[in-house]
Amino acid sequence: AQKITQTQPGMFVQEKEAVTLDCTYDTSDQSYGLFWYKQPSSGEMIFLIYQGSYDEQNATEGRYSLNFQKARKSANLVISASQLGDSAMYFCAMREGVDTDKLIFGTGTRLQVFP
Amino acid sequence: DTEVTQTPKHLVMGMTNKKSLKCEQHMGHRAMYWYKQKAKKPPELMFVYSYEKLSINESVPSRFSPECPNSSLLNLHLHALQPEDSALYLCASSQEAVAGFYEQYFGPGTRLTVT
Repeated sequence: AQKITQTQPGMFVQEKEAVTLDCTYDTSDQSYGLFWYKQPSSGEMIFLIYQGSYDEQNATEGRYSLNFQKARKSANLVISASQLGDSAMYFCAMREGVDTDKLIFGTGTRLQVFP
Repeated sequence: DTEVTQTPKHLVMGMTNKKSLKCEQHMGHRAMYWYKQKAKKPPELMFVYSYEKLSINESVPSRFSPECPNSSLLNLHLHALQPEDSALYLCASSQEAVAGFYEQYFGPGTRLTVT
């Protein structure tokens, strides 16, 4: 079974609009961490935002926020006021438990921002 | 400074060559990682070093040989590679490997082509 599922292979959004990228996860651990990364065409993976399983508040970092719904096992990324530079591949990732250092990635969503 | 550097940026090598990829970080991170990423796929973990010791080897073929000379440096020695090993090789580092959900910071990657 997929541990991390990103069902949107591609998304389009107009500049200055908000966009939500979906991510659902599957784990039986109580303690886990969820991460979002951005990968522009240059290749570098850029860390965006982190949500811990015990965090009660949704994480926010500038224009990025994470809509964390624990009961539904979803951790959607919301990008507000999209910019042309936001065009990139976005990966959701999870680390399960504290005794392993494996980051499991979803298949990614390609976001394209148009003027 | 959240920079991870990787050299070279591009590498073309024949199947009988020996080459090395280098990765460096000066953030005082104690965990370092090698990932392999094929086109349009998420990164796949290859190796994890924690406190300069190899802690995870994801059943990587022996033609890939990692080395961690000190806490700031990580090498990946390549020998007798196959064309299917052509990929983007990403290095990452994080504050700790376990005992906390620390984000991983990635380098820009080395695009490897095996001819």
